Amino acid sequence: DQQVKQNSPSLSVQEGRISILNCDYTNSMFDYFLWYKKYPAEGPTFLISISSIKDKNEDGRFTVFLNKSAKHLSLHIVPSQPGDSAVYFCAAAARVNDYKLSFGAGTTVTVRA
Amino acid sequence: DAGVIQSPRHEVTEMGQEVTLRCKPISGHDYLFWYRQTMMRGLELLIYFNNNVPIDDSGMPEDRFSAKMPNASFSTLKIQPSEPRDSAVYFCASSLGRVGNQPQHFGDGTRLSIL
Repeated sequence: DQQVKQNSPSLSVQEGRISILNCDYTNSMFDYFLWYKKYPAEGPTFLISISSIKDKNEDGRFTVFLNKSAKHLSLHIVPSQPGDSAVYFCAAAARVNDYKLSFGAGTTVTVRA
Repeated sequence: DAGVIQSPRHEVTEMGQEVTLRCKPISGHDYLFWYRQTMMRGLELLIYFNNNVPIDDSGMPEDRFSAKMPNASFSTLKIQPSEPRDSAVYFCASSLGRVGNQPQHFGDGTRLSIL
């Protein structure tokens, strides 16, 4: 069963605008969340993370928001750049499960010039 | 800094053959993970090691799959005999410590095709 869900398989956004990627999870034991970015023919690259004790974490153009009551997190990219075109994976982990990562199916972001 | 190195990048072989995938983790990292990515199941964890010791192999799909880590700088994932449904991209990742404060770093993967 898919414990981490990214319901939007794709997202198209104009350069300079905001990209918002969403992720939902079902396991209330998850206490650490990550976003990875993946280019074709490369491995996923860590982007940003957030622990369950926070509701926001920011790193440059990337901000992750966590809503524990809704079991929902989102990644905001502002402003979007052509180099942001990639597949973005949401991942979650639980301390009680030795922090094994569960990944969502990914969202393909296309930034239009 | 050298990242996680996987070889080969591509492997095409016939059903029934033995396949060996290789991984060199980042120097100093004490955790090593093997993942498989397919269209149907996405990215799924197969097995992981801590200090060269297998900790959890519950994701290994069948006995045809085995993994070893003879030393801190090398790991293999073997499939014997291989089947067409094993076709996927296999990723190796390493981390320093658990994900709580250290994210996993992935290699570029091995694209495996079983004919």
